[in-house]
Amino acid sequence: NAGVTQTPKFQVLKTGQSMTLQCAQDMNHNSMYWYRQDPGMGLRLIYYSASEGTTDKGEVPNGYNVSRLNKREFSLRLESAAPSQTSVYFCASSQGRFNYGYTFGSGTRLTVV
Amino acid sequence: AQKVTQAQTEISVVEKEDVTLDCVYETRDTTYYLFWYKQPPSGELVFLIRRNSFDEQNEISGRYSWNFQKSTSSFNFTITASQVVDSAVYFCALSDSTGANSKLTFGKGITLSVRP
Repeated sequence: NAGVTQTPKFQVLKTGQSMTLQCAQDMNHNSMYWYRQDPGMGLRLIYYSASEGTTDKGEVPNGYNVSRLNKREFSLRLESAAPSQTSVYFCASSQGRFNYGYTFGSGTRLTVV
Repeated sequence: AQKVTQAQTEISVVEKEDVTLDCVYETRDTTYYLFWYKQPPSGELVFLIRRNSFDEQNEISGRYSWNFQKSTSSFNFTITASQVVDSAVYFCALSDSTGANSKLTFGKGITLSVRP
């Protein structure tokens, strides 16, 4: 099925460890996004990529890096994980113009101990 | 800066009751888009509706209806004859303009519990 695929679905890290969350879409969308969801906070934008080769900071970028590897893939990296980064992470994609809609992945539940 | 306010945090109703979820937004753009998403206990985000700023017609889809009022910057969502399966977190979201850099700003969500 067409859509946004995130891996892994679950991950437990120790403080200070690094990891990369992977995201791929097969809808030929131009724009991709990383959000984090915390209880009572809604979804907050971490980084986004309006097109291949560009990335921009969102509302809560500190502690994260991203790579738009190609049009399909947009990865999120935690260089030195902290307990404050315990969250559910969602990747999304959109056509990027006219806001026809955003397609979300199923999420990655990350726990940092 | 854009902002979406969902003042209600938790709502509990008995099955078959009608319930309205409120959403108030702020934006300086004249062209924008409003969305509602549902997040059931399984955790995925389910798209419900998209509305552009030039279309103030109310929309009805089965038991769901949406009331968009630019004069009050509100985009409220009503579930008629609620069912247990409607239990979820509901997010209102706002997207600016039509440019390539558009992005979604979410409210904090409303947790709806429908009791049998």
